[in-house]
Amino acid sequence: EAGVAQSPRYKIIEKRQSVAFWCNPISGHATLYWYQQILGQGPKLLIQFQNNGVVDDSQLPKDRFSAERLKGVDSTLKIQPAKLEDSAVYLCASSLVLNQPQHFGDGTRLSIL
Amino acid sequence: AQSVTQLDSHVSVSEGTPVLLRCNYSSSYSPSLFWYVQHPNKGLQLLLKYTSAATLVKGINGFEAEFKKSETSFHLTKPSAHMSDAAEYFCVVSGRGSQGNLIFGKGTKLSVKP
Repeated sequence: EAGVAQSPRYKIIEKRQSVAFWCNPISGHATLYWYQQILGQGPKLLIQFQNNGVVDDSQLPKDRFSAERLKGVDSTLKIQPAKLEDSAVYLCASSLVLNQPQHFGDGTRLSIL
Repeated sequence: AQSVTQLDSHVSVSEGTPVLLRCNYSSSYSPSLFWYVQHPNKGLQLLLKYTSAATLVKGINGFEAEFKKSETSFHLTKPSAHMSDAAEYFCVVSGRGSQGNLIFGKGTKLSVKP
């Protein structure tokens, strides 16, 4: 089966610019997650969707980050405006349903200049 | 609150020798525990998971982990390291009521010398 697809793989922007990441989960997976992985740390959950509804966004900096999964399949994560501390790898994961093993994409590496 | 502590940030072994990556957890109820591996510039791959069945869990690529409630530990082992095992390893906890949310440790980088 095809894995979780993410694009772009790399992105370099200047601070205060905006950026968007895209994720296509494994076909049929109802649950989708976005994680932020800062260099030298483990991933941290930003937001979790069940179909097109938000289950948990308690750690999403809502003043600058937004995410959507309009049709319950693909998802986009946006940062506007970006800050230097947003430099990280953004990982998307999906699972068949809640509490099932999560499958990760290769991530988008974001560098803020 | 749940958390995991990976006791070593970096472990170096020679090819063919045993691997031990240490992890302690904290949870107010019976946790689900996982080990994930991340190769450079790649996403995370599930190695194994513990969900309150057998305390000795076998995973992929010859890895296994033992859940020890008395020691609140979930150490990852492999009898003989291979060069391809060089990667970052994450110990992860997910608890009841967490809706599948995973809490990651800071990771242990495993180096394998020829």
